Amino acid sequence: GNSVTQMEGPVTLSEEAFLTINCTYTATGYPSLFWYVQYPGEGLQLLLKATKADDKGSNKGFEATYRKETTSFHLEKGSVQVSDSAVYFCALTRGSARQLTFGSGTQLTVLP
Amino acid sequence: DVKVTQSSRYLVKRTGEKVFLECVQDMDHENMFWYRQDPGLGLRLIYFSYDVKMKEKGDIPEGYSVSREKKERFSLILESASTNQTSMYLCASSWVSQETQYFGPGTRLLVL
Repeated sequence: GNSVTQMEGPVTLSEEAFLTINCTYTATGYPSLFWYVQYPGEGLQLLLKATKADDKGSNKGFEATYRKETTSFHLEKGSVQVSDSAVYFCALTRGSARQLTFGSGTQLTVLP
Repeated sequence: DVKVTQSSRYLVKRTGEKVFLECVQDMDHENMFWYRQDPGLGLRLIYFSYDVKMKEKGDIPEGYSVSREKKERFSLILESASTNQTSMYLCASSWVSQETQYFGPGTRLLVL
């Protein structure tokens, strides 16, 4: 079946550090891949997505590339800010209603 | 802006009570979803609906039911609440032609 394995957290970084959160997936067919972010006290919101192999999604300085050969979709940001502190979820689509399968989430804390 | 609202942010109920969680979206989305979020487990799909009066089981439907009488409203029902249903519940919606889901702020349910 479909599954998403996400880097264990929590992750603590200093401001302006480089961020990588690893995500690998198992899926039948060719799912779309997503990163969602959950800021404290809020619901999830879409951060970026990629719909086919070698696509790069990007938003707010974050990037992730759909790598079919390694079944990965790692999230990166060159210089994190305190405001990036949140929980990050990797996800893929499946099924007729495009249901999402989520990873376990990674808590990121950025210190000033 | 897409808006998904949930009836309560926090709810405290007793074991055995019947609990209703309501979700309303204002963007004429066909698809609506209920997830529960637990630490270390990410989000897991309980039920979803792709049209009025239509419903499909997700990955963990046991102990839950749903109702969709109007397109904009999707209710999650705990017929007899139990302590293992203490969790954060998130509602989401999407257009059938797109994969991006829009999430509500969540309801944190405590069952005593």
